[in-house]
Amino acid sequence: QKEVEQDPGPLSVPEGAIVSLNCTYSNSAFQYFMWYRQYSRKGPELLMYTYSSGNKEDGRFTAQVDKSSKYISLFIRDSQPSDSATYLCASHTGGFKTIFGAGTRLFVKA
Amino acid sequence: EAQVTQNPRYLITVTGKKLTVTCSQNMNHEYMSWYRQDPGLGLRQIYYSMNVEVTDKGDVPEGYKVSRKEKRNFPLILESPSPNQTSLYFCASTFSSGGSYEQYFGPGTRLTVT
Repeated sequence: QKEVEQDPGPLSVPEGAIVSLNCTYSNSAFQYFMWYRQYSRKGPELLMYTYSSGNKEDGRFTAQVDKSSKYISLFIRDSQPSDSATYLCASHTGGFKTIFGAGTRLFVKA
Repeated sequence: EAQVTQNPRYLITVTGKKLTVTCSQNMNHEYMSWYRQDPGLGLRQIYYSMNVEVTDKGDVPEGYKVSRKEKRNFPLILESPSPNQTSLYFCASTFSSGGSYEQYFGPGTRLTVT
């Protein structure tokens, strides 16, 4: 079992929809949780970062960590075609040995 | 402008010929990492460095070496490349302190080993 599991999709939604992207993890020692967006042929871009449990909001993006269920979520409100990309979740314990999920491909149709 | 640069961007080489991929950052970040990205596997960490002369293994360090002699540079060395090291490689630079976390990735190096 991988330490961070993520459904690869693809996920296809209409413009304006609320998108929910999810990961599960198995290592109870993980304290730092990140979401990245990666466009084709580009490097990943850090979108959201959460320490421990809770919610964090930044514009149309909300990251949620539930440590009791070991579940990480990213919500995108009012999705746009420009949000079409691969989204990667990742975690580490604070020592920077980082484990990534496989990434979910998202398509937002105009 | 915050920047992580990698060179070369594309490289085709033959099995066993030593190569180095350079990575440089201009943000004075202490933490730097190398990743490889393969279809269906996501990003896997090869090595990371928490400061000058401090490096540690990530998830897939076999066949790779790194060094951190200066804060801004973190080269990845393949002493004897093999075809299973054909991949897309990313360098990243990270700042983390007191609740702040920022991270930048380089543009990637596509390596083909024949």
